[in-house]
Amino acid sequence: GAGVSQSPSNKVTEKGKDVELRCDPISGHTALYWYRQSLGQGLEFLIYFQGNSAPDKSGLPSDRFSAERTGGSVSTLTIQRTQQEDSAVYLCASSLDKYTEAFFGQGTRLTVV
Amino acid sequence: KNQVEQSPQSLIILEGKNCTLQCNYTVSPFSNLRWYKQDTGRGPVSLTIMTFSENTKSNGRYTATLDADTKQSSLHITASQLSDSASYICVVSAVSRGSTLGRLYFGRGTQLTVWP
Repeated sequence: GAGVSQSPSNKVTEKGKDVELRCDPISGHTALYWYRQSLGQGLEFLIYFQGNSAPDKSGLPSDRFSAERTGGSVSTLTIQRTQQEDSAVYLCASSLDKYTEAFFGQGTRLTVV
Repeated sequence: KNQVEQSPQSLIILEGKNCTLQCNYTVSPFSNLRWYKQDTGRGPVSLTIMTFSENTKSNGRYTATLDADTKQSSLHITASQLSDSASYICVVSAVSRGSTLGRLYFGRGTQLTVWP
């Protein structure tokens, strides 16, 4: 597709389970961002990948969160031992480089019950 | 501390009226400023992107201004329509040319509601 694709669109999981969220950025985009948005809240930065550089992980809220980007393209965000406070919409964005417009996916709505 | 503050937090206007949303930032080093529109349940969609040297940029009924000296930006919406009801988010990009990394700093958004 032409845009940023995220999957699944919705995920309901039990507390304590691990989840994996996937992001397919726009082809050729070197920058990839993960954000999360809790109900009624602003966007919270999680992690940023730029090319082959070490990612900026400073936004990850705890060591239960990790992300990787394989081959400079697809990225997965993994949340281990999910907690109810992890419930949010997780948004992925990509841009051609660090200077240009970022395009967002539709997000994955994660609900931890 | 790098921050982006938006005002008002929410706004209700009648269809056909104009409105202006504000964004103040303390992000440094500044690269560019973006305004996004986010409909409920959707991802943000870019409206404008402005660099340091740009003062004004328009996209249809949306006009963004930037004063890099005072670190302020505004988004003016002309002749509002019901479909303008959404959250408008100001995003500031911080990146230095000597660094390979960049970061987007988000405001909390202004929730605009347009009534018929």
